[in-house]
Amino acid sequence: GQNIDQPTEMTATEGAIVQINCTYQTSGFNGLFWYQQHAGEAPTFLSYNVLDGLEEKGRFSSFLSRSKGYSYLLLKELQMKDSASYLCAVMDSNYQLIWGAGTKLIIKP
Amino acid sequence: DAEITQSPRHKITETGRQVTLACHQTWNHNNMFWYRQDLGHGLRLIHYSYGVQDTNKGEVSDGYSVSRSNTEDLPLTLESAASSQTSVYFCASSDGQGEVNEQFFGPGTRLTVL
Repeated sequence: GQNIDQPTEMTATEGAIVQINCTYQTSGFNGLFWYQQHAGEAPTFLSYNVLDGLEEKGRFSSFLSRSKGYSYLLLKELQMKDSASYLCAVMDSNYQLIWGAGTKLIIKP
Repeated sequence: DAEITQSPRHKITETGRQVTLACHQTWNHNNMFWYRQDLGHGLRLIHYSYGVQDTNKGEVSDGYSVSRSNTEDLPLTLESAASSQTSVYFCASSDGQGEVNEQFFGPGTRLTVL
């Protein structure tokens, strides 16, 4: 079966760095997406990785290791507005997105 | 600006009633998707469409139907609402076909079936 695993909840301090991990087992692989979802709102796109390595985009970076079925989202200089759920999703061989349950990130002052 | 809208934003209905949720996008995207989101689960795909007159079943399609008569709209119909269909429903769209493109999401519809 297809499976995406990520921690249910994480807590971090404002100004700090946090790493949210995602492991996956899917039928084929056409890339991995990270989305951010604030409570009561729609998911919004953060990043896409298809090749191994690190993609940096401002305070956010995303890493992929295809051989390990592993990705992480790194958030630096945390701000209170980063309190949200972070969704990991893998595009399978049929170009369908398989979604993890999301990681709720709580930022404390 | 292009956008994707959903209506209604909130809906309460009774078991057994037919319900239709609307989704309208002005991105001119070929691909449209319907997901449901429940606590403890990732987004689950209900139905999707890669173009006008094309519809496909997703992972959790039982009890739902869609039709695609134009590029902009993909209404989702619950034939006979059940309490298990209480959920938040998101519509999304993306460009291209058989390609990797980010999906843009509508604001969601919170449906309660009593």
